[in-house]
Amino acid sequence: DTAVSQTPKYLVTQMGNDKSIKCEQNLGHDTMYWYKQDSKKFLKIMFSYNNKELIINETVPNRFSPKSPDKAHLNLHINSLELGDSAVYFCASSEIRQGSEQYFGPGTRLTVT
Amino acid sequence: SQQGEEDPQALSIQEGENATMNCSYKTSINNLQWYRQNSGRGLVHLILIRSNEREKHSGRLRVTLDTSKKSSSLLITASRAADTASYFCATEGAGGYQKVTFGTGTKLQVIP
Repeated sequence: DTAVSQTPKYLVTQMGNDKSIKCEQNLGHDTMYWYKQDSKKFLKIMFSYNNKELIINETVPNRFSPKSPDKAHLNLHINSLELGDSAVYFCASSEIRQGSEQYFGPGTRLTVT
Repeated sequence: SQQGEEDPQALSIQEGENATMNCSYKTSINNLQWYRQNSGRGLVHLILIRSNEREKHSGRLRVTLDTSKKSSSLLITASRAADTASYFCATEGAGGYQKVTFGTGTKLQVIP
């Protein structure tokens, strides 16, 4: 039983295209996150949602738009892809209280050519 | 920035030896967590230590926290080849709303 799943696992696309990454969690968590991990393994939070409400929106280009249709899903849509968007994108979820451990998905490796 | 800095960036040891990784951060925290990331996989939570705790154990893991020095260490005793992974500290700020900031990571290699 996969706790946090992401699709696709790999995504290769050309500059200028628009793409989406989907995330689903079956843990009943209220909070979901998107992280970006660059080639140096630096992991940076992008967005966080609580019960479909955006609560963290870091300095991310507005080409990135998260969407949470329900509390079990958090999708990430990226417009006009750029070379610098190449990275591994991780979805995670946690309970709403402070100190909750985060459960990570397997990641989506995005390569923009 | 709250981002944690980890030291060393990479560590290579023989199986059976102990591995120690350090994490320093910049501002007040509610808690500090350690995560492991195997190559090509997502992060997995290992242990959490709250700001009012100084030491915590979980199996072969020992975590210390010194809030006066804004630093933490993770000790893995009797290492195994399966411990080979990257290890990240993550801090939850005192004022932040569940915003967890990850450190730069230590890449551990355990040689059989």
